[in-house]
Amino acid sequence: SQQGEEDPQALSIQEGENATMNCSYKTSINNLQWYRQNSGRGLVHLILIRSNEREKHSGRLRVTLDTSKKSSSLLITASRAADTASYFCATDGNNFNKFYFGSGTKLNVKP
Amino acid sequence: DTEVTQTPKHLVMGMTNKKSLKCEQHMGHRAMYWYKQKAKKPPELMFVYSYEKLSINESVPSRFSPECPNSSLLNLHLHALQPEDSALYLCASSQTGSTGELFFGEGSRLTVL
Repeated sequence: SQQGEEDPQALSIQEGENATMNCSYKTSINNLQWYRQNSGRGLVHLILIRSNEREKHSGRLRVTLDTSKKSSSLLITASRAADTASYFCATDGNNFNKFYFGSGTKLNVKP
Repeated sequence: DTEVTQTPKHLVMGMTNKKSLKCEQHMGHRAMYWYKQKAKKPPELMFVYSYEKLSINESVPSRFSPECPNSSLLNLHLHALQPEDSALYLCASSQTGSTGELFFGEGSRLTVL
């Protein structure tokens, strides 16, 4: 991808379980964001974490950021079938208004 | 209104055709973007407009020609495309001056025959 990689590429879990996906990026950043995309649709913003933050929560989402390792993780707790989607991290490459996306993780939550 | 509207939703064109994709937002955002997304791949940045001026062109072939007529509208003019240009084209907008969230449209699915 233009900026980074995510793992795993695909993740299949049962409803109620937690899902963790990881993002690694290549350059310094101002912030890192996570987006969700249902199949063939537009992307929806989930959460933003700034480079001086280490952890952030929003509802069932928990994001961590380690700038020394150039990596981030997204945890979705108590997953639901409706969480089935692709999840992408996005970074700005330390350049305002220049957002690059990671390779994505395809999450399947089985009811 | 937090919507970004893209038209058409689907477009089929021949390699000699000229067509345009359109994008509109009324959130007062002054940064607008075109991304290209192939199946099972992440969105790839193509162009960024800031205050109606082209600020970033990610070495996109000239058969793609962006245009920003005003602060609410963004067009992508297509000419002499190749079959490998078939993809989902996503428009997005954001506030300028600070890195914030991108608001995406639902995309225009382009098929080049």
